Amino acid sequence: DTEVTQTPKHLVMGMTNKKSLKCEQHMGHRAMYWYKQKAKKPPELMFVYSYEKLSINESVPSRFSPECPNSSLLNLHLHALQPEDSALYLCASSQVSWRVETQYFGPGTRLLVL
Amino acid sequence: DAKTTQPPSMDCAEGRAANLPCNHSTISGNEYVYWYRQIHSQGPQYIIHGLKNNETNEMASLIITEDRKSSTLILPHATLRDTAVYYCIVRVVGGQAGTALIFGKGTTLSVSS
Repeated sequence: DTEVTQTPKHLVMGMTNKKSLKCEQHMGHRAMYWYKQKAKKPPELMFVYSYEKLSINESVPSRFSPECPNSSLLNLHLHALQPEDSALYLCASSQVSWRVETQYFGPGTRLLVL
Repeated sequence: DAKTTQPPSMDCAEGRAANLPCNHSTISGNEYVYWYRQIHSQGPQYIIHGLKNNETNEMASLIITEDRKSSTLILPHATLRDTAVYYCIVRVVGGQAGTALIFGKGTTLSVSS
């Protein structure tokens, strides 16, 4: 099973709302990622968790708050977002095998901020 | 990680081979070449990777030149479902998981009947 699941698939929120995106994998991967993808652009890294600890934060605004409650779950808490934060949010997890790291992506959550 | 250069778009007739080139002239000896693709509105999907030998799996073949400065992803019999953005990414061989992918602009492959 190489599946990464993300919920919800779609989310519409106002600028004053608080919402959360959820990501789950049961492949035993110890690294998990959040990427942001604007329309017609490549994905851009936001956060990396390695062994449930935040290892990379790509200067993301504090209105995005990641959380890794356990090795299978990754959340992204959203608060006071701006319309320009509307994008596809992708979660991924990875494993290293024979020194080669392969990432597996979820289908994404499409977020619209009004 | 080394920079990659890909053509912005390519067309291919259904049933024909699609050959997608990638230049990575600054690649170093400890860097792999990875290919991912992203079908519209889906998450990126891993296709194949290689170090210096040619590689083949059920999805595609990867041909890496002897000097490792360029590579070609080959989809032997393209179908309409292969229409996607294809990303060539060069990454250092890692020990522990947690190295992010740096995506370039990729090549948009359009397969038509």
